[in-house]
Amino acid sequence: GNSVTQMEGPVTLSEEAFLTINCTYTATGYPSLFWYVQYPGEGLQLLLKATKADDKGSNKGFEATYRKETTSFHLEKGSVQVSDSAVYFCALRDKAGGFKTIFGAGTRLFVKA
Amino acid sequence: GAVVSQHPSRVICKSGTSVKIECRSLDFQATTMFWYRQFPKKSLMLMATSNEGSKATYEQGVEKDKFLINHASLTLSTLTVTSAHPEDSSFYICSAPEDGGLGGYTFGSGTRLTVV
Repeated sequence: GNSVTQMEGPVTLSEEAFLTINCTYTATGYPSLFWYVQYPGEGLQLLLKATKADDKGSNKGFEATYRKETTSFHLEKGSVQVSDSAVYFCALRDKAGGFKTIFGAGTRLFVKA
Repeated sequence: GAVVSQHPSRVICKSGTSVKIECRSLDFQATTMFWYRQFPKKSLMLMATSNEGSKATYEQGVEKDKFLINHASLTLSTLTVTSAHPEDSSFYICSAPEDGGLGGYTFGSGTRLTVV
């Protein structure tokens, strides 16, 4: 079945550091890939998405490229801010999976001033 | 963009009572609603999928008699936790597809349930 594996956290960085959160997936079909962010005490917000191979999703300085050959969708940001502290979830969804969203375990990011 | 309004955001209830959580789609029709549960510091677990006008589909291990889902209209889906116990305390989130396919899915803001 479909699954998502992402790096365990927490990840602690200083402000302006470079961020990478790894995500790999297993899917029977051709999934769309997503990154969601959850700020403390809030629900999930879509951060970015990519619907086909080699697509790059980007938003708020974050970006991730859909790599079919490595089944990966790593999240990157060149310079993190304290306000980026949150939990980040990698997720996939495809028609073969009944359009259910499958989430990774989440990676908590702490950014220090 | 599309919004799913989820209420209440927080609720505290006594053991043995029932709690209803509502998710309303604003400005779009949600023929399908996914209900998730999130344990502390864990990922989201899909509980069930509701479809307007038909019975919900529950994931393996989820008690359908305990977590009643109703999707009576194209804009409203409800989850009722019946005879709640402390172990039901969790963060519940709903999600609906905006275009019924591989596009955007909108999440509610979540409901934190505490059973005392």
